[in-house]
Amino acid sequence: AQSVTQLDSHVSVSEGTPVLLRCNYSSSYSPSLFWYVQHPNKGLQLLLKYTSAATLVKGINGFEAEFKKSETSFHLTKPSAHMSDAAEYFCVVSTGTASKLTFGTGTRLQVTL
Amino acid sequence: GAGVSQSPSNKVTEKGKDVELRCDPISGHTALYWYRQSLGQGLEFLIYFQGNSAPDKSGLPSDRFSAERTGGSVSTLTIQRTQQEDSAVYLCASSLEGAQEETQYFGPGTRLLVL
Repeated sequence: AQSVTQLDSHVSVSEGTPVLLRCNYSSSYSPSLFWYVQHPNKGLQLLLKYTSAATLVKGINGFEAEFKKSETSFHLTKPSAHMSDAAEYFCVVSTGTASKLTFGTGTRLQVTL
Repeated sequence: GAGVSQSPSNKVTEKGKDVELRCDPISGHTALYWYRQSLGQGLEFLIYFQGNSAPDKSGLPSDRFSAERTGGSVSTLTIQRTQQEDSAVYLCASSLEGAQEETQYFGPGTRLLVL
């Protein structure tokens, strides 16, 4: 079984300040972990993914995430938020041969001036 | 190249009617997935096709839901006797071979409203 917990349903930051979106996972096997972003009325877009290579993963638009097995966490960070980062972010896990994705409940990121 | 496409983009139907939703995956992708995004349930897996293997239907919420994939490409999700709780955005995704670590590419979704 696999599951994902996104610890914050809503995060608000000022433009230019750091972003931290928290995610914890549970998996019976070695997982693959993803962060997807969904802008209003747009489709899901992959930000980055962890697939058992480097534990620090860099993605698009300056985002990165660190896989910490001991903490079962995969938090998403960005050093400096931009207005265009405002969107819904989903932490996602995939394990085993089924490869179906299990989504977290999402974190809505608000960026203010 | 072209991404995953879905049609229609919006569908309004009356309770009890049948609906068909279509997905065109990325060319060359052998794995195809259907997910549903609703206010109450979030994003949830419905069904998965990989090549000629039997589909994984473990996420289908009831026997009113079915899906097929013809010729290893286009897929159709059918909902029979629609209910109001079926209202949601239905998302299709595809990946190259269906491996755990592969990126799944999502279509724009079909927004279904059951009146």
